Amino acid sequence: DQQVKQNSPSLSVQEGRISILNCDYTNSMFDYFLWYKKYPAEGPTFLISISSIKDKNEDGRFTVFLNKSAKHLSLHIVPSQPGDSAVYFCAASSNYGGATNKLIFGTGTLLAVQP
Amino acid sequence: KAGVTQTPRYLIKTRGQQVTLSCSPISGHRSVSWYQQTPGQGLQFLFEYFSETQRNKGNFPGRFSGRQFSNSRSEMNVSTLELGDSALYLCASSLAPNLNTEAFFGQGTRLTVV
Repeated sequence: DQQVKQNSPSLSVQEGRISILNCDYTNSMFDYFLWYKKYPAEGPTFLISISSIKDKNEDGRFTVFLNKSAKHLSLHIVPSQPGDSAVYFCAASSNYGGATNKLIFGTGTLLAVQP
Repeated sequence: KAGVTQTPRYLIKTRGQQVTLSCSPISGHRSVSWYQQTPGQGLQFLFEYFSETQRNKGNFPGRFSGRQFSNSRSEMNVSTLELGDSALYLCASSLAPNLNTEAFFGQGTRLTVV
């Protein structure tokens, strides 16, 4: 049972345009969400996170939006750069059973930014 | 500050063997989690350790086990290896189990079972 879903395996965007990566989840107990970026042969790198008490968080070119009623979050990258080309993973955690660092990941979206 | 260190980076084993992977977290971090990444499955949670205690375990068979030492270093062991165990095994370190903390990942150990 995939609790965190990234339904688009890949996305291609022109340099300078906006990249929008989407993520859906099914577990209403999730209260913290993160986005990671992964290059081949490297471990995932933390990008940005959002708590369930917020609906938006910005960090430079990256903005994450959370829609709790739709159980949906998205990552916006503006403007997109060729160096952003990587696999992006959405992850979620729930602290209702006690504080934990256990993350549930989606299957990833491969973003290709064309020069 | 050194990052998360995983050893070895690459490993080839044959079916039926066992393997031990090592993870040294970021200095001062006491929480270590392990994940398995396979094509099409994303990252699957294996276990989480804090202060030498396993706090959480994912849906993996008992062939997968782990431990954490007093210096926060962690090892995971897979016994009776199967072809399907071929994957990238990632270790993540965090300060402590806590609300709103991000995990920092190592480069992973690529295990190939033949």
